[in-house]
Amino acid sequence: RKEVEQDPGPFNVPEGATVAFNCTYSNSASQSFFWYRQDCRKEPKLLMSVYSSGNEDGRFTAQLNRASQYISLLIRDSKLSDSATYLCVVVAGTYKYIFGTGTRLKVLA
Amino acid sequence: EAGVTQFPSHSVIEKGQTVTLRCDPISGHDNLYWYRRVMGKEIKFLLHFVKESKQDESGMPNNRFLAERTGGTYSTLKVQPAELEDSGVYFCASSQVGQGKIYNEQFFGPGTRLTVL
Repeated sequence: RKEVEQDPGPFNVPEGATVAFNCTYSNSASQSFFWYRQDCRKEPKLLMSVYSSGNEDGRFTAQLNRASQYISLLIRDSKLSDSATYLCVVVAGTYKYIFGTGTRLKVLA
Repeated sequence: EAGVTQFPSHSVIEKGQTVTLRCDPISGHDNLYWYRRVMGKEIKFLLHFVKESKQDESGMPNNRFLAERTGGTYSTLKVQPAELEDSGVYFCASSQVGQGKIYNEQFFGPGTRLTVL
């Protein structure tokens, strides 16, 4: 079993739609969680961190469920520019990033 | 502020040859990481430097890979001799506790795309 699992997609959604991604992790001792965004052939860039209390940044909301060991990302009112791969990251210890395979999102006009 | 830079952006070599990848972290970042993504797989951790010291090299695939960070500034990752399965994208990242917006936030470079023929 992979340490971090994501549905690879692709998710094809129309502009304006709401889309949600989930990610599950296996190490219950993990303390830090992030969503990174990666555009085609570019480097991963931090989208947002994930807290148990939830974290909202504009159209994006991230949530952590420790009991079920999953994190989620909700994107509201999707834009064409949201098309990218969304990487779930779980931090092992204090620094080692464990990545999921990424979920591809394509927002259609 | 300049981000993490990597050189070269692409490298195509033949099996058995040697390749050296370079990473320049964000100025002042003590922590430097190497990651790798092979085709169809997730990005995987290779190793972590704190200044010039290797803190964790548990992700290094085998002894054909050698990473150095002399002087605690830039780092190199040498693959010698290269094998077909070494093809992939090699990312470097850096971080500095307390200086990022988010604790543990790692800033990634654009990657080096390595193709071994």
